[in-house]
Amino acid sequence: DVKVTQSSRYLVKRTGEKVFLECVQDMDHENMFWYRQDPGLGLRLIYFSYDVKMKEKGDIPEGYSVSREKKERFSLILESASTNQTSMYLCASSLWTGSAFFGQGTRLTVV
Amino acid sequence: DAKTTQPTSMDCAEGRAANLPCNHSTISGNEYVYWYRQIHSQGPQYIIHGLKNNETNEMASLIITEDRKSSTLILPHATLRDTAVYYCIVRDNYQGAQKLVFGQGTRLTINP
Repeated sequence: DVKVTQSSRYLVKRTGEKVFLECVQDMDHENMFWYRQDPGLGLRLIYFSYDVKMKEKGDIPEGYSVSREKKERFSLILESASTNQTSMYLCASSLWTGSAFFGQGTRLTVV
Repeated sequence: DAKTTQPTSMDCAEGRAANLPCNHSTISGNEYVYWYRQIHSQGPQYIIHGLKNNETNEMASLIITEDRKSSTLILPHATLRDTAVYYCIVRDNYQGAQKLVFGQGTRLTINP
């Protein structure tokens, strides 16, 4: 089975901290995605990557950056966390075509 | 922006077929229709996908209209565990990358 693993299930950080959310997949997928999910707003795409060192902005990239130095790992970085970045963050991976597989999510609270 | 529209919520009785509609009127010729569902507090789970023919697997059936502008996901014998948010997505190409954009989805409630 494909496994997409997010490093933390729950995270609490202070305003202004630099936050790293890590995602690892074990199926050699080219594509990886970061979403955030908020009540009433559904899943919104932050960034995605289609190859090592390649990244593209999604619909809400402001306040975030990403890093993909290895094919299996895609990191989401909050340079200076703010309270409006409190959310559920979901990572996914897929081949060029075909279905995407999601991690269990990281619930981030910024205080 | 999402390229699909779905009803916000639906109810279905346990044991009956649940039919979830999706409109994707601007779908292009090479785009597939995908369905995912998300059970509370979990990541979305893939259900089924199709291009133009109807598809069936162990979880569901997918009916795509001939003009491909809409589709219906069918859960033939819904159970309480099928209560979830269901997302219909068309896969968007961008310079070879496959961007996945989700809409609001349909909150399906299965009633005993």
